[in-house]
Amino acid sequence: DSGVTQTPKHLITATGQRVTLRCSPRSGDLSVYWYQQSLDQGLQFLIQYYNGEERAKGNILERFSAQQFPDLHSELNLSSLELGDSALYFCASSSRPLYGYTFGSGTRLTVV
Amino acid sequence: TQLLEQSPQFLSIQEGENLTVYCNSSSVFSSLQWYRQEPGEGPVLLVTVVTGGEVKKLKRLTFQFGDARKDSSLHITAAQPGDTGLYLCAGRLQPSQGGSEKLVFGKGMKLTVNP
Repeated sequence: DSGVTQTPKHLITATGQRVTLRCSPRSGDLSVYWYQQSLDQGLQFLIQYYNGEERAKGNILERFSAQQFPDLHSELNLSSLELGDSALYFCASSSRPLYGYTFGSGTRLTVV
Repeated sequence: TQLLEQSPQFLSIQEGENLTVYCNSSSVFSSLQWYRQEPGEGPVLLVTVVTGGEVKKLKRLTFQFGDARKDSSLHITAAQPGDTGLYLCAGRLQPSQGGSEKLVFGKGMKLTVNP
């Protein structure tokens, strides 16, 4: 157990639907990062939150949004889902970003 | 365009062999990390290198950061089946090159060690 908890582990949904992925960071970590992993693109940075505030944004689609709550857990909302959104979505947390992240075990999203 | 290029992308070897995987970029990094990922799991941090020319050893794994902090290598000695997995390098860009706290990842090297 890495200390970063992601739910659900698997999600199957239809095109056009909306889903919410949840992440609880490791105790004490204020930063949360969301990544998308696909076979052809590898791990792509989506967005970072630090203590409730958006800190950095990657190539996140407008259909995707995220937030971090006062208890530091974070949610990634994916809407108007397309087949191409099928991927692994990882959350990571860190207290010392220079020295690395702790990843959760991911949510496998399948859009059918 | 991938900021970090890893090579080789795939490697299948026999138990006991040695191997080296490379991670190259034209950009300068504040730090560079290596992760290993197994199917169905998230990446697990193996090591972080910060200083140009730095060498770190973790049992049979040796990590090196290039002098110019643009590249890194991972050498595994006497590979074992338990070393099987996806090896990812990730770097944090220097602020002068638009860096932030986010990590940029290479696509990884998929290693299979056969018994």
